[in-house]
Amino acid sequence: DTGVSQNPRHKITKRGQNVTFRCDPISEHNRLYWYRQTLGQGPEFLTYFQNEAQLEKSRLLSDRFSAERPKGSFSTLEIQRTEQGDSAMYLCASSRPGTGGKETQYFGPGTRLLVL
Amino acid sequence: AQSVAQPEDQVNVAEGNPLTVKCTYSVSGNPYLFWYVQYPNRGLQFLLKYITGDNLVKGSYGFEAEFNKSQTSFHLKKPSALVSDSALYFCAVRSRGGGSYIPTFGRGTSLIVHP
Repeated sequence: DTGVSQNPRHKITKRGQNVTFRCDPISEHNRLYWYRQTLGQGPEFLTYFQNEAQLEKSRLLSDRFSAERPKGSFSTLEIQRTEQGDSAMYLCASSRPGTGGKETQYFGPGTRLLVL
Repeated sequence: AQSVAQPEDQVNVAEGNPLTVKCTYSVSGNPYLFWYVQYPNRGLQFLLKYITGDNLVKGSYGFEAEFNKSQTSFHLKKPSALVSDSALYFCAVRSRGGGSYIPTFGRGTSLIVHP
């Protein structure tokens, strides 16, 4: 169990640029989640995959945000035309198959985005 | 809708003293409840969860939490605090009633343990 990994760990970009983050879940976990965390807040749900299918999207996920998990393994989160309000920590989590809701989500270290 | 309240932004405790970090929740039906800890510039680490059964749940690093259905609470406790316990603690809830698998997190409580 190598844990959830995220790359890059830090990203500084200029307003209007596109950024892409990658998440590699724990290998046997078929569920993958993206969250956003701002200072003083808990993680806010963005989107969720089961295998390659994107099953839920938060209304926080504007049309500038897109996430993929093409082969049901790693996932990418892209933000187009970044805005200063996108500055946050982006967290990825994964969980193993199980009856819904009680499984434990394991989090990666996060990608901290700063939009100048 | 489900929600979590962590009424204290910060908890201060002396090393060796017992600690409590409070959490109350609101959910339709019965809950699944979770506690996570976050160290600076790190992701969340799972501490413990309540699914069913015994109301006292034991977790990692000597932490435990007590589920109280009548008070809709799930307070995190530890008998003797360590300086290394200083971190941000998050409570999360999910309804057992089906639908979304997504938990709702509280805003977090900063625990500071003084030497």
